[in-house]
Amino acid sequence: QKEVEQNSGPLSVPEGAIASLNCTYSDRGSQSFFWYRQYSGKSPELIMSIYSNGDKEDGRFTAQLNKASQYVSLLIRDSQPSDSATYLCALEDSSASKIIFGSGTRLSIRP
Amino acid sequence: EAQVTQNPRYLITVTGKKLTVTCSQNMNHEYMSWYRQDPGLGLRQIYYSMNVEVTDKGDVPEGYKVSRKEKRNFPLILESPSPNQTSLYFCASSLVAGGGGETQYFGPGTRLLVL
Repeated sequence: QKEVEQNSGPLSVPEGAIASLNCTYSDRGSQSFFWYRQYSGKSPELIMSIYSNGDKEDGRFTAQLNKASQYVSLLIRDSQPSDSATYLCALEDSSASKIIFGSGTRLSIRP
Repeated sequence: EAQVTQNPRYLITVTGKKLTVTCSQNMNHEYMSWYRQDPGLGLRQIYYSMNVEVTDKGDVPEGYKVSRKEKRNFPLILESPSPNQTSLYFCASSLVAGGGGETQYFGPGTRLLVL
């Protein structure tokens, strides 16, 4: 069973600080990785995708991928209260046409 | 507006009473899937479809059926619902499965309670 592991949190970060969310995975063949944000009671929305080792930046968000260590992370700079949500790490299963999700990390930004 | 719609949004039913949750997308996407979300377990895929008349089991298919007779629609059928199927259900669609930078669009969710 291919797995995506995340710390469930909650992760509490002061407003304006950097929030760091981490994810490890078991499928060495995976090439596509995603971060979704999900507000309580709402559907997930894609915020970042990453396919190559290294960093990918988009505004306040930076995704980091290390395939050798099977590790994906999401950094949120200048955290805002509106960033308070559950963040889901996901990857494309290399042997089947489907997406596997982690259970999510709940992030809370305190004013 | 590009969207995935689901109906109903909320449903309370009793054990054994067949129900269907509809899902429709207006983006001409080939790939559609159904997920259930339970506390602490994240999103788990129930079934997915690569194209019309092509469906396959996800990780938790037991107790569910799907069909893909048209590209835009992908209904989820619970022939005999049981309390352990109480959950939050999401339908999703994308141009292709994962990769290539394609965004997977999610529907608004259907909250199901089986008594």
